[in-house]
Amino acid sequence: AQSVAQPEDQVNVAEGNPLTVKCTYSVSGNPYLFWYVQYPNRGLQFLLKYITGDNLVKGSYGFEAEFNKSQTSFHLKKPSALVSDSALYFCAVRDFSGNTGKLIFGQGTTLQVKP
Amino acid sequence: GAVVSQHPSRVICKSGTSVKIECRSLDFQATTMFWYRQFPKQSLMLMATSNEGSKATYEQGVEKDKFLINHASLTLSTLTVTSAHPEDSSFYICSAYHGGERATYEQYFGPGTRLTVT
Repeated sequence: AQSVAQPEDQVNVAEGNPLTVKCTYSVSGNPYLFWYVQYPNRGLQFLLKYITGDNLVKGSYGFEAEFNKSQTSFHLKKPSALVSDSALYFCAVRDFSGNTGKLIFGQGTTLQVKP
Repeated sequence: GAVVSQHPSRVICKSGTSVKIECRSLDFQATTMFWYRQFPKQSLMLMATSNEGSKATYEQGVEKDKFLINHASLTLSTLTVTSAHPEDSSFYICSAYHGGERATYEQYFGPGTRLTVT
């Protein structure tokens, strides 16, 4: 079965510092990986995805993620954090079994950026 | 990017009544729509998947008679919570996906509906 894990419930970082939000995955076959961000009482916003190609994927709002097949990881990164980046972040993998193509989400990581 | 709307954004209803939530893809045709439920500070729990014109596929443990899903067109899906009870209070989020030859594989999410059952 496909799964993703986000080992950290919360990540704290000072504004201006680099940030990393971790994600590891377990899939059969080639992984289709995604990062989404959720602000309070809002739906999820798409940040970036890895389907194929370059291991370093660039996305919205200055975020990027690195696909590492040997470590089965897809960590989200940003060189310089902003206070406005504070939100709940979800890693997800697409599950093609059962013909529904549903997303399997990690448990989420709260990012807190302090001024 | 693609836009998905949900209506209403917030609803309060009395126990025993039914509530309908609409999900619309505004600028693309959604071959598949998904309905999620989210509890505070938790991840999204997939409730069901619906394809236009066919019956929804419910996840294990989700009562199909309680959570009625209709996907009447490629731009509209509805979730009806029947005979709502306080334990149904939650944040409900829909998402839409466009498959086919030009599929980009990401799902686009609505802003969510906060349901409170009193």
